[in-house]
Amino acid sequence: EIVMTQSPATLSVSPGERATLSCRASQSVSTKLAWYQQKPGQAPRLLIHGASTRATGIPARFSGSGSGTDFTLTISSLQSEDFAVYSCQQYNAWPLTFGGGTKVEIK
Amino acid sequence: QVQLVQSGAEVKKPGASVKVSCKASGYTFTSCDIDWVRQATGQGLEWMGWMNPNSGNTAYAQKFQGRVTMTRDTSTNTAYMELSSLTSDDTAIYYCARANPTENRFDPWGQGTLVTVSS
Repeated sequence: EIVMTQSPATLSVSPGERATLSCRASQSVSTKLAWYQQKPGQAPRLLIHGASTRATGIPARFSGSGSGTDFTLTISSLQSEDFAVYSCQQYNAWPLTFGGGTKVEIK
Repeated sequence: QVQLVQSGAEVKKPGASVKVSCKASGYTFTSCDIDWVRQATGQGLEWMGWMNPNSGNTAYAQKFQGRVTMTRDTSTNTAYMELSSLTSDDTAIYYCARANPTENRFDPWGQGTLVTVSS
């Protein structure tokens, strides 16, 4: 099973600042990597797939990069609605696995 | 718009079974797999398995094999997930999600169903 490790667990950021989140896979997943945003009491929402392709309707301030084992989600200028938990998911191999999540909170 | 609507919260006793439904609308139900993912309070997401609504074929995560059954009713565009032999460790929110036709990424997700296992 591919283990997905996210860091940091919690990221404190001021509105308008940049946030950089990391996701590392225990073995290569190529670019079969998705990012999801989850707000309290809500279901996850797809942000990024293929490591760097924004899903439909996702603002340009969200960007993804990486391949192989190391991936990054960057939020260029945090808006109030961006404070949430972000999770990565690999879909290169079975079983599908998720990272433990990074909570982005208001500093 | 594409939408998945799940059944309501459940409270079950240890040893019982639970069956959660997921009604799809806004797209051709048989064109995309439906996966199930759960999330215990304060924990990460855990993939449980997938079902192909067209063929009925399924595949389950090893952890749940023998305890989970995923089915569908194509006449009502509804997918089901049944989990048996419940323990307190199964207390979680259960989500259904539509998989992309060619890649196993999920969009959209159902709103989630809280299953509480308590004596």
